[in-house]
Amino acid sequence: DIQMTQSPSSVSASVGDRVTITCRASEDIKTWLTWFQQKPGKAPNLLIYGAGTLHVGVPSRFRGSGSGTDFTLTISSLQPEDFASYFCQQASSFPHTFGQGTRVEI
Amino acid sequence: QVHLVESGGGVVQPGRSLRLSCAASGFTFSPYAMHWVRQAPGKGLEWVAMISFDGINKYYVDSVKGRFTISRDNSKSTVFLQMNSLRLEDTAVYYCAKNHGSGNYHYYGVDVWGQGTTVTVSS
Repeated sequence: DIQMTQSPSSVSASVGDRVTITCRASEDIKTWLTWFQQKPGKAPNLLIYGAGTLHVGVPSRFRGSGSGTDFTLTISSLQPEDFASYFCQQASSFPHTFGQGTRVEI
Repeated sequence: QVHLVESGGGVVQPGRSLRLSCAASGFTFSPYAMHWVRQAPGKGLEWVAMISFDGINKYYVDSVKGRFTISRDNSKSTVFLQMNSLRLEDTAVYYCAKNHGSGNYHYYGVDVWGQGTTVTVSS
């Protein structure tokens, strides 16, 4: 199975800050990497797929990049509604493993 | 609007069975693979299973192989997860999710999630 290592596990930030979350795959997954946002008690929401394609309706302050084994999610200017948990997931091969998650806190 | 509604969760003793359902609406169901993903209390997300659009191909995480079975009824736009020999560690919120791409294209993962149904395995 492909292991996904996400870091940091949590980050404290303020409104307006730039936040960067990384995700590393244990083997080459090309660009088959998806990012989700999850708020407490809610289902995850798709942010980015194909490593860098913004899902419809997602604000442009979210940006995904990377290929192969190293990927990054960047929030350019943190907004109050962005305080949440973020997960990466590889969809290159089964099982479609997730990273451990990153909690973005105030 | 795409909508997924899970049902069938509950409290069950170890070793017993439970069948989850996920009713889809707002899109043409049959061209899309469907997934189940779970989240244990206070933990991260764990992909559980996927069924292809035609029901022929099924994939599972190792921890549920031989115990869980994913199936679908395209005439009712519904996907199921039959869970047998339940263990304490199967306690989680179970989400169904729609595959992003149609046909057998799984590389974009999932795009729409249901609200989840809670399964508690306890003696």
